[in-house]
Amino acid sequence: ETGVTQTPRHLVMGMTNKKSLKCEQHLGHNAMYWYKQSAKKPLELMFVYNFKEQTENNSVPSRFSPECPNSSHLFLHLHTLQPEDSALYLCASSLSSGGANTGELFFGEGSRLTVL
Amino acid sequence: AQRVTQPEKLLSVFKGAPVELKCNYSYSGSPELFWYVQYSRQRLQLLLRHISRESIKGFTADLNKGETSFHLKKPFAQEEDSAMYYCALLNYNTDKLIFGTGTRLQVFP
Repeated sequence: ETGVTQTPRHLVMGMTNKKSLKCEQHLGHNAMYWYKQSAKKPLELMFVYNFKEQTENNSVPSRFSPECPNSSHLFLHLHTLQPEDSALYLCASSLSSGGANTGELFFGEGSRLTVL
Repeated sequence: AQRVTQPEKLLSVFKGAPVELKCNYSYSGSPELFWYVQYSRQRLQLLLRHISRESIKGFTADLNKGETSFHLKKPFAQEEDSAMYYCALLNYNTDKLIFGTGTRLQVFP
C-alpha cells in the first residue's frame, strides 16, 4: 500500500490503559512526524524523527512516548492519558535532505483517540 | 515568535462568487508559506506553496511581506472547493511547519 497509513483509525481507552498508535509510510521518506489536532486549536507538532533519530520533542508530556524503529514506521505509545488528550493524532512524512524540510508533508488519515 | 493566523473559522459563498481565505503570519526570517487542504473524508494534503507561484485548481496565493499576509484566492468558487483550508509557515531554523487554525470554506450551489 502506498502513502501514509495509520492504525487504528479509532481508539477508546481508559486513563489507566496502555495502547499504541502505528504509522507506516511507503513513500521512501526519511522524516516522520506526529501531530495532534484538537478542536479549535492549530495542528500541534509533537515529535519529529529524521533518519530514525528524534530531532524534536515539542514539550510533550511523558505519557506520550514515540518510537521509530526504521524510516518507514513510527509508533506513539500511550500510557495513563488524561481526558484532555482526546484528539485526532496525525502522522506525516516528508523527504528530508540534509535536515532541510521541504515543507511538503504527506499525512495519514489520523487516529481518533478518546480517553474516558 | 512564529505564528500563523487565520481569522475566519468559516467562510460561506455561492458558486461562482470570488473567494479569499485570509492568512497572516509572524516570522522574523524570510518566510516560506503553504496552503494545505482537507476535503471531506480525505486526508490533509498540500494545495500550493508560495515559491512555486503556481495556480492549483484555480487557486492562487501571493506573499505580501509588507502586510505579512498570504491570502488564498479564487475568482469563481466551485462546490467541490468546499473543504478545510490550513495556512502553514516553514521555520527553516527548526524545520518545523507551523499551521494556522484553519478556515472551513462552504460553497453553496
